[in-house]
Amino acid sequence: GIQVEQSPPDLILQEGANSTLRCNFSDSVNNLQWFHQNPWGQLINLFYIPSGTKQNGRLSATTVATERYSLLYISSSQTTDSGVYFCAVEGGGADGLTFGKGTHLIIQP
Amino acid sequence: DTEVTQTPKHLVMGMTNKKSLKCEQHMGHRAMYWYKQKAKKPPELMFVYSYEKLSINESVPSRFSPECPNSSLLNLHLHALQPEDSALYLCASSQDQWEPGADTQYFGPGTRLTVL
Repeated sequence: GIQVEQSPPDLILQEGANSTLRCNFSDSVNNLQWFHQNPWGQLINLFYIPSGTKQNGRLSATTVATERYSLLYISSSQTTDSGVYFCAVEGGGADGLTFGKGTHLIIQP
Repeated sequence: DTEVTQTPKHLVMGMTNKKSLKCEQHMGHRAMYWYKQKAKKPPELMFVYSYEKLSINESVPSRFSPECPNSSLLNLHLHALQPEDSALYLCASSQDQWEPGADTQYFGPGTRLTVL
């Protein structure tokens, strides 16, 4: 199956800082999603981005499908951005999402 | 509305109990999924129901059995579970499993299961 690697595993920043989270995947994908999991376990959709670039407020994401990686940018971090960020992909077999191990982000006031 | 609901929010059960988790969506989605998430780990796919066909992750033990009574509901029946089955169980749905763009998955809040 597809392998998904996320980096860094942990990130501690001060409020107001910018950050870049990376997701590498081992094969071509039809679906790539970024999620934020809050402390209560809810997975919140951030982006559906199998290719290209998207922006939503302080968040943006870029996927370079030919090079098999995706980046999530968070600007002007707020304490509410804390949590675990997952990248998840689905290959051509349409067999459900495979998740990376996540990046645990802590934003300190 | 991109809402997937799950009940109950929390469940504590003994190893001899039979219980069920419920997942519901009213978005007209045609594919529904169960994932299992252990503490400090990523979610792992258990089952996919798409166009009334079930796909199973072969590593899932038979003490978990999904049921899809209609296109909006997906249940997960639990029987003779083990303490290591304690986890967060997440349900998701997508409009279509096969079409690009329509395969965006939306997750419910999860059921936190504890097996004693």
